[in-house]
Amino acid sequence: QVQLQQSGPGLVKPSQTLSLTCTISGDSVSSNSAAWNWIRQSPSRGLEWLGRTYYRANWFHNYAVSVERRTTISSDTSKNQFSLQLRSLTPEDTAVYYCAREVPMTGIRAFDFWGQGIVVTVSS
Amino acid sequence: DIQMTQSPSSLSASVGARVTITCRASQDISNSLAWYQQKPGKAPKLLLYDASTLESGVPSKFSGSGSGTYYTLTITSLQPEDFATYYCQQYNKSPWTFGRGTRVEIK
Repeated sequence: QVQLQQSGPGLVKPSQTLSLTCTISGDSVSSNSAAWNWIRQSPSRGLEWLGRTYYRANWFHNYAVSVERRTTISSDTSKNQFSLQLRSLTPEDTAVYYCAREVPMTGIRAFDFWGQGIVVTVSS
Repeated sequence: DIQMTQSPSSLSASVGARVTITCRASQDISNSLAWYQQKPGKAPKLLLYDASTLESGVPSKFSGSGSGTYYTLTITSLQPEDFATYYCQQYNKSPWTFGRGTRVEIK
């Protein structure tokens, strides 16, 4: 059974950088069939896909245009983790942040396993 | 970005009822659609993908249909554990986008 365990701060100041980590068990971050995503949810924006990382002989990353300029998703194979960095935070970035695995089947960009979610508040 | 419009935004139904939720995409998404169930304080749970394929372990009371820009999720014989918020998500074109949800409440 795949499990995703998230860690990171719940409160971040405006203009600072949010760093969240998702630790995978039951699968591998360097799997040749899975992809690893970050999604957030807020009352104002609903569910919003932020980006993903995946390994297909090389590492690839895709980002939503809305956050691309200030987002980095990376992976750590030694710890079987992937991470989100979101820079230049504003109160609009306040949300519940989730990590999630894409269904490991070609062309299916749906999310079958999710982390527990972390409530992130951007406030001074 | 592809806009996903769900309707209704909320509904009330009795235990044992059958309900249908609709999701309309702003352009053809070629059946690249997933449905999720979310309960308060929990992450969404995948119910169906490819518009009508049931995720492993999900009961057959959940079914999906549709094509092009119009899709539906039907839940038969509503039980207390089915009262939740349901979301659609398209994955035909990046960025993957979600509907705003349909809250199913007990009448």
